[in-house]
Amino acid sequence: GENVEQHPSTLSVQEGDSAVIKCTYSDSASNYFPWYKQELGKGPQLIIDIRSNVGEKKDQRIAVTLNKTAKHFSLHITETQPEDSAVYFCAASPSGSRLTFGEGTQLTVNP
Amino acid sequence: NAGVTQTPKFQVLKTGQSMTLQCAQDMNHNSMYWYRQDPGMGLRLIYYSASEGTTDKGEVPNGYNVSRLNKREFSLRLESAAPSQTSVYFCASISGVRASPLHFGNGTRLTVT
Repeated sequence: GENVEQHPSTLSVQEGDSAVIKCTYSDSASNYFPWYKQELGKGPQLIIDIRSNVGEKKDQRIAVTLNKTAKHFSLHITETQPEDSAVYFCAASPSGSRLTFGEGTQLTVNP
Repeated sequence: NAGVTQTPKFQVLKTGQSMTLQCAQDMNHNSMYWYRQDPGMGLRLIYYSASEGTTDKGEVPNGYNVSRLNKREFSLRLESAAPSQTSVYFCASISGVRASPLHFGNGTRLTVT
């Protein structure tokens, strides 16, 4: 089955800096890669996703890049703000429904 | 629009006790899932139901059973709770349209002593 590894497990940045979280996947059949943000006491919420026919996708301060050859994808957050502090999860799926999640990254943005 | 609703929010059990975690969604979604979240291990799939009337094992099904009661409701049962089942449990649903987002509830925090 699919295996997703996520790095780093914790990330601390100063407000206004950029943050990058990286994930690798094992199943070459995976074609859907979402990113979820989990705030304290809440369930994860989708923030951005990318499909394998696209190399990069951007939504305001958030962008995701995908390298199918190397089987890795990354989340980029620019101009970080304190409200970006949360746990972020990457995931991969060959079908879009049964997702395999990474271990999560605790992002802390220091004012 | 409530989305995915889980009950209870918190629960403490003694080893060997049983309980059922309830989940309901009001988005007319076809597929529903149960995940557990443990520190450093991400979200691991316990069971899922691709459609009403079907259930399948996920990555970590041992010690759990599920029931897809109808299209809205998907329950998770612990027949004889063990300390290793101390975790945060999340229910999620998805419409079934390819690559549509997974919607999560706010979780049930379970402690087994």
